Amino acid sequence: EVQLLESGGGLVQSGGSLRLSCAASGFTFSTYVMNWVRQAPGKGLEWVSAITGSGGSIFYADSVKGRFTISRDNSKNTLYLQMNSLRAEDTAVYYCAKRSVTRTFDYWGQGTLVTVSS
Amino acid sequence: QSALTQPASVSGSPGQSITISCTGTSSDIGGYNYVSWYQHHPGKAPKLMIYEVSNRPSGVSNRFSGSKSGNTASLTISGLQAEDEADYYCSSYASSTTLYVFGTGTKVTVL
Repeated sequence: EVQLLESGGGLVQSGGSLRLSCAASGFTFSTYVMNWVRQAPGKGLEWVSAITGSGGSIFYADSVKGRFTISRDNSKNTLYLQMNSLRAEDTAVYYCAKRSVTRTFDYWGQGTLVTVSS
Repeated sequence: QSALTQPASVSGSPGQSITISCTGTSSDIGGYNYVSWYQHHPGKAPKLMIYEVSNRPSGVSNRFSGSKSGNTASLTISGLQAEDEADYYCSSYASSTTLYVFGTGTKVTVL
């Protein structure tokens, strides 16, 4: 059974940093593209970042480019999101999502809440 | 890249059919057959309901179906049930920069 478990969320001041983790199990982690998707309070879903299985290709939404860094440790089956220079508008539930071979997000975690206070 | 446009809410009685539209552009929905639909109960993990426009993952009821015409995709739920009450989001592969774009979300209410 595929499981994705996010952690690392919390309350941080504007301009601060936070690192999110996503522990994966139930599939061959190193062979799949992994993503971060967020949902601000009362808003819809927003794709944030993606990383290929080897970590060789990385993509970011314009809203986080230059501030967030996605990475993965395939030996630990874990995905990360380093978030720097946080802003109030980064307040959201952050989900990690596995991308299937059909370019869809077939499994999601329960999410971790990040609150940025101004 | 702007969010895909969905109606804010759709409602129906048990047993009825409802359709949720998702409108994008030729740079996303119109350009690729990588449209997905997700069901999201607040506080839970989103669940994949439809992928590649019209395909259902194993375990998803055949009451859910998807289609696309031009820049607009649609999700139809037939034989509406109380458990279908949730938020629904469409998504499309977009480009080599903003990889994916999501819809604005639709709250489905079963009357």
